[in-house]
Amino acid sequence: KQEVTQIPAALSVPEGENLVLNCSFTDSAIYNLQWFRQDPGKGLTSLLLIQSSQREQTSGRLNASLDKSSGRSTLYIAASQPGDSATYLCAVGGYGGSQGNLIFGKGTKLSVKP
Amino acid sequence: KAGVTQTPRYLIKTRGQQVTLSCSPISGHRSVSWYQQTPGQGLQFLFEYFSETQRNKGNFPGRFSGRQFSNSRSEMNVSTLELGDSALYLCASSLNRERTDTQYFGPGTRLTVL
Repeated sequence: KQEVTQIPAALSVPEGENLVLNCSFTDSAIYNLQWFRQDPGKGLTSLLLIQSSQREQTSGRLNASLDKSSGRSTLYIAASQPGDSATYLCAVGGYGGSQGNLIFGKGTKLSVKP
Repeated sequence: KAGVTQTPRYLIKTRGQQVTLSCSPISGHRSVSWYQQTPGQGLQFLFEYFSETQRNKGNFPGRFSGRQFSNSRSEMNVSTLELGDSALYLCASSLNRERTDTQYFGPGTRLTVL
């Protein structure tokens, strides 16, 4: 059974700091890994999608890496801003052969202090 | 292009009632998935529909059901509501069922069962 874990559960940093969020999964048989952001009471916003054949993806100040063999992914946020405060979720896709079945971690709640 | 829309946004029901939630995917998207989000369990996969067919189902009781229409709009139904069904219900759409597809989430329907 696939399990996804995110550490830490919560993180508070001062504005401007670079930070790394961690995601681990137990079964490497995934199609892809996706990072999302969720603001309180809102839906999920897709940040980055890494295919199983890729090692990393970048978008602006965000960089996500994937190491299937070790079952790990990291999301690197450069020069953090208060607007980055949100819960960040990682999800592995395609487990069980279904693209639509994302298995999520519990998330890391990030707070960036001005 | 309009995003994923869900109606209603908020719903209050009492135990034993039934409820129907609606999801309109992004135009051109054919795959719709449903997820339940609770503070304790996090995000859990309910089911996935593609071209009006249920392709995958999560580990939820038969009280949870869904369907997809020819225009890709989807509904989910919960019968005989229980207090534990209180949650944020999110739907996501993707273009097809390819492993390369990003899933885009709607804002969710907040269901409260009293």
